[in-house]
Amino acid sequence: GEDVEQSLFLSVREGDSSVINCTYTDSSSTYLYWYKQEPGAGLQLLTYIFSNMDMKQDQRLTVLLNKKDKHLSLRIADTQTGDSAIYFCAESIRTYGQNFVFGPGTRLSVLP
Amino acid sequence: DTEVTQTPKHLVMGMTNKKSLKCEQHMGHRAMYWYKQKAKKPPELMFVYSYEKLSINESVPSRFSPECPNSSLLNLHLHALQPEDSALYLCASSQTRTSYYEQYFGPGTRLTVT
Repeated sequence: GEDVEQSLFLSVREGDSSVINCTYTDSSSTYLYWYKQEPGAGLQLLTYIFSNMDMKQDQRLTVLLNKKDKHLSLRIADTQTGDSAIYFCAESIRTYGQNFVFGPGTRLSVLP
Repeated sequence: DTEVTQTPKHLVMGMTNKKSLKCEQHMGHRAMYWYKQKAKKPPELMFVYSYEKLSINESVPSRFSPECPNSSLLNLHLHALQPEDSALYLCASSQTRTSYYEQYFGPGTRLTVT
């Protein structure tokens, strides 16, 4: 079955690192994604990782994938108030091609 | 230009109205998608168009009718909606159906059905 789970809330202080975690269940996932959604806005693709990779870094963002445990994380270094948003983890399922399954989203609050 | 635009930004309609949502992209993408997002929930896929043909309909009620008149435009026609259809409707596009991993989303249309 397809299921993506995330913790719903995370608070960090400005300048600290944030780590948002996600677990998924479908071993046939091909890509795993992190999307950011600010209030009232659409989804912004932050980064994605192919399922045969274990790490991807892009400026302040680091994605770690533990395929054995089906665990994905997003680390945001030097978190800023502009990073406050909801972060959705998503997987795409090989059998459908473009069937995205989104997690419930983690609301990140950055405190000054 | 990596932008997907959607109009209108907000829409309020009665249950007997007919309205349309519009989505446009000029990235040359040949796959376009409609998602529905209820408050505090993740997006749910509704329809997928590939090369202007409907390829996926996720058991969406017939009061939602998609249309893809050309490769840049995607419409969602609404008729006889229910209050529970109130949500944020997101459009997305990708290069092709097989390059779905880079889906670009529009800002959404916030629909309220009264």
